[in-house]
Amino acid sequence: EDQVTQSPEALRLQEGESSSLNCSYTVSGLRGLFWYRQDPGKGPEFLFTLYSAGEEKEKERLKATLTKKESFLHITAPKPEDSATYLCAFRALSNAGGTSYGKLTFGQGTILTVHP
Amino acid sequence: NAGVTQTPKFQVLKTGQSMTLQCAQDMNHEYMSWYRQDPGMGLRLIHYSVGAGITDQGEVPNGYNVSRSTTEDFPLRLLSAAPSQTSVYFCASRTYKATNEKLFFGSGTQLSVL
Repeated sequence: EDQVTQSPEALRLQEGESSSLNCSYTVSGLRGLFWYRQDPGKGPEFLFTLYSAGEEKEKERLKATLTKKESFLHITAPKPEDSATYLCAFRALSNAGGTSYGKLTFGQGTILTVHP
Repeated sequence: NAGVTQTPKFQVLKTGQSMTLQCAQDMNHEYMSWYRQDPGMGLRLIHYSVGAGITDQGEVPNGYNVSRSTTEDFPLRLLSAAPSQTSVYFCASRTYKATNEKLFFGSGTQLSVL
């Protein structure tokens, strides 16, 4: 069964303390791995898409990486404004075509809190 | 830039009542979808549509109906609300273009069924 698991469930960091969030996935064929950020009371906001093992994407203090079994979201020197829930999701190859191209399977998220 | 607009933001229903959650997007996206978000469960797909007149079921469709009469609008109907439908509902849309897989989400509707 296709599934995705995120760890840890919650992470508290001091400002400037770098760390990583993990997204482990099991899928018969991966079409894409996505990272979203969600602030309280708001909808998820797109961060990155990764398509193949070894691929990396960066945006400000965030860097996403992908292997054949997991993805990491590395946060370098975080600031309090990076506090949010970070969601990962995948799209399976079986959902790549036809009318299923938008079906994403989401993990439960990691709640990140960065203290000043 | 409106993006994806959901109404209402909050709603309280009694068991058995029906209601419609509204979703509209102004980006001319072909694909629209509804997710529900429950604590510890992640976002789960309810229904989706790839264009006007075309809808399909997602992972948790029971108790919900959808229709897509225009490109812009994709309402979600609860036929007879149950406490198990207490959740936060998100509408999302994207373009069909394979080079842009970015899903745009609305701000959500928090629904409580008593």
